Amino acid sequence: EADIYQTPRYLVIGTGKKITLECSQTMGHDKMYWYQQDPGMELHLIHYSYGVNSTEKGDLSSESTVSRIRTEHFPLTLESARPSHTSQYLCASSGYIKFHEQYFGPGTRLTVT
Amino acid sequence: ELKVEQNPLFLSMQEGKNYTIYCNYSTTSDRLYWYRQDPGKSLESLFVLLSNGAVKQEGRLMASLDTKARLSTLHITAAVHDLSATYFCAPREGRDDKIIFGKGTRLHILP
Repeated sequence: EADIYQTPRYLVIGTGKKITLECSQTMGHDKMYWYQQDPGMELHLIHYSYGVNSTEKGDLSSESTVSRIRTEHFPLTLESARPSHTSQYLCASSGYIKFHEQYFGPGTRLTVT
Repeated sequence: ELKVEQNPLFLSMQEGKNYTIYCNYSTTSDRLYWYRQDPGKSLESLFVLLSNGAVKQEGRLMASLDTKARLSTLHITAAVHDLSATYFCAPREGRDDKIIFGKGTRLHILP
């Protein structure tokens, strides 16, 4: 059973605020990912990490940053939120077991006013 | 750069009917995943297809992979309302574990 958690689940925040979206997994997976998904649309990879102290930008340009100081934790930070950041953010992790299948967290639905 | 095309993007069908969702991708990939997403929810893994000719079945869903044709299919047999959801295919890009998602097929099954 996948154990990957995201907080907060919903967030409404004003323009210009700094926010951090939390993602934690208890499966010991080395690889973690952040995706952005607008309603009814495909997922776009914005950041990924292959292990502690490893972070890479994904295919979709993003003004967010990530860090990976601990294996289980992969937070995403927006320094200055804008209405264009309004979206759903999904965190995922994968490991060698089950052929690197990605397990997804419940998501954070962000609205920037 | 790997591109993924799913069709149809929207499908409304009657219960009890069969249908197939197609997933084409543009460059070589050795692995493909299928996911399901219910409205307002996260993604649930359905199948991992690892090699040419792979076929996996779970209940009324069956997925297959033809790596030479760069095509995967998700076949629905005798659809039931509970299968209403959006289905995404996602082939692996290169040798790392990045996967590229299609736009999804929104399936609506009428009772």
